[in-house]
Amino acid sequence: EVQLLESGGGLVQPGGSLRLSCAASGLTFSNYAMTWVRQAPGMGLEWVSVIGADEISTYYAQSVKGRFTISRDNSKNTLYLQMNSLRAEDTAVYYCARDLTGSYRTPPDLWGQGTLVTVSS
Amino acid sequence: QTVVTQEPSFSVSLGGTVTLTCGLSSGSVSTGYYPTWYQQTPGQAPRTLIYSTNSRSSGVPDRFSGSILGNKAALTITGAQADDECDYYCTLYIGSGIWVFGGGTKLTVL
Repeated sequence: EVQLLESGGGLVQPGGSLRLSCAASGLTFSNYAMTWVRQAPGMGLEWVSVIGADEISTYYAQSVKGRFTISRDNSKNTLYLQMNSLRAEDTAVYYCARDLTGSYRTPPDLWGQGTLVTVSS
Repeated sequence: QTVVTQEPSFSVSLGGTVTLTCGLSSGSVSTGYYPTWYQQTPGQAPRTLIYSTNSRSSGVPDRFSGSILGNKAALTITGAQADDECDYYCTLYIGSGIWVFGGGTKLTVL
């Protein structure tokens, strides 16, 4: 069974940093692109970032570009999201998702249960 | 800035058929946007229903179907059931590695 388990969420002050992790099991992690999607409380889904299976291709939503960095360690089957200069509007549940293929041009397909990030003083 | 549009809410009678749409604030949706549909119940992670316009994800019943209708992507649910009452999101690939989600449609089954 494929499982994606996010961790690293919590309460952080505005301007602070946080690093999310997503541990994958039950799949050949290195074959798939991986995506982060977030959902603010009571709001819709927002695509955040994707990294290709090649570990090189990375793309970001304009709202997080320059502040967030996506990365992966295929030897550890783990996806990361380094979040810096956090703002109140970054408060959300952050989901990691396995994409349909190794290409960033395919959509998120299989989702983790999410981790809550709260940015507040 | 690209905005993906969805009906904020929709209702369908139990056993009825409903079509939800996914459009662009400027321009038409085509297969080249690889429209993808998700279902989300409160407190749960999204579940993929349809990808690449009309391909059903594994385990999704065939009463869910996707298409292009006019200038929008569409998700049709036939024989609506009580547990279809939840939120539905579409996403479109707009190029340069970027995907954009619509605001979601809250479906009520009457």
